[in-house]
Amino acid sequence: GAGVSQSPRYKVAKRGQDVALRCDPISGHVSLFWYQQALGQGPEFLTYFQNEAQLDKSGLPSDRFFAERPEGSVSTLKIQRTQQEDSAVYLCASSLIGRGQGSDYGYTFGSGTRLTVV
Amino acid sequence: AQKVTQAQTEISVVEKEDVTLDCVYETRDTTYYLFWYKQPPSGELVFLIRRNSFDEQNEISGRYSWNFQKSTSSFNFTITASQVVDSAVYFCASLEYGQNFVFGPGTRLSVLP
Repeated sequence: GAGVSQSPRYKVAKRGQDVALRCDPISGHVSLFWYQQALGQGPEFLTYFQNEAQLDKSGLPSDRFFAERPEGSVSTLKIQRTQQEDSAVYLCASSLIGRGQGSDYGYTFGSGTRLTVV
Repeated sequence: AQKVTQAQTEISVVEKEDVTLDCVYETRDTTYYLFWYKQPPSGELVFLIRRNSFDEQNEISGRYSWNFQKSTSSFNFTITASQVVDSAVYFCASLEYGQNFVFGPGTRLSVLP
């Protein structure tokens, strides 16, 4: 598609429920990033994929967070046993090149999924 | 480690006023990039500008201009003759080569008619 697509747009989950957030990057984009944006704050890095390989997951806040990109295109961020502190907007971004592989850092962000845990 | 500070949490101006959004960054690398993004109420991050650490030339794009000063580690953003459609949250971000974005906390700009 023309942009990065994320679904669902909004998700309300009961505490303890598992959720799955989807990101459809721009076709052909090598890099895919997930960011978490808490209310009133800037986005914070969660994890990075280069094609299907998850090269950096240093930002995942706990082992309840899991991300995958099995075919190097669509990615899913899964949160198990959601907690209230997981409430945030989850942003996905993609880029044509691999991280650190060039000087053209053209990133496209999706509109995000707003997760509310009640 | 990278750090980005946006000291202004919220700014309100009346339409047609000029407004400057401040950004101060910290980085240990000599090669880095600085960005400004706009986040309207719809939530997506809209790219505005990217500068690399070797290019301190200021830039103007329509009503937008950016002042990059390495001596003060600042990358300020000015909107001239602001419009209501400029109302949004604006994020400054840094990116060291091969690393991830580090965003500032954002500045919420409200332009009143």
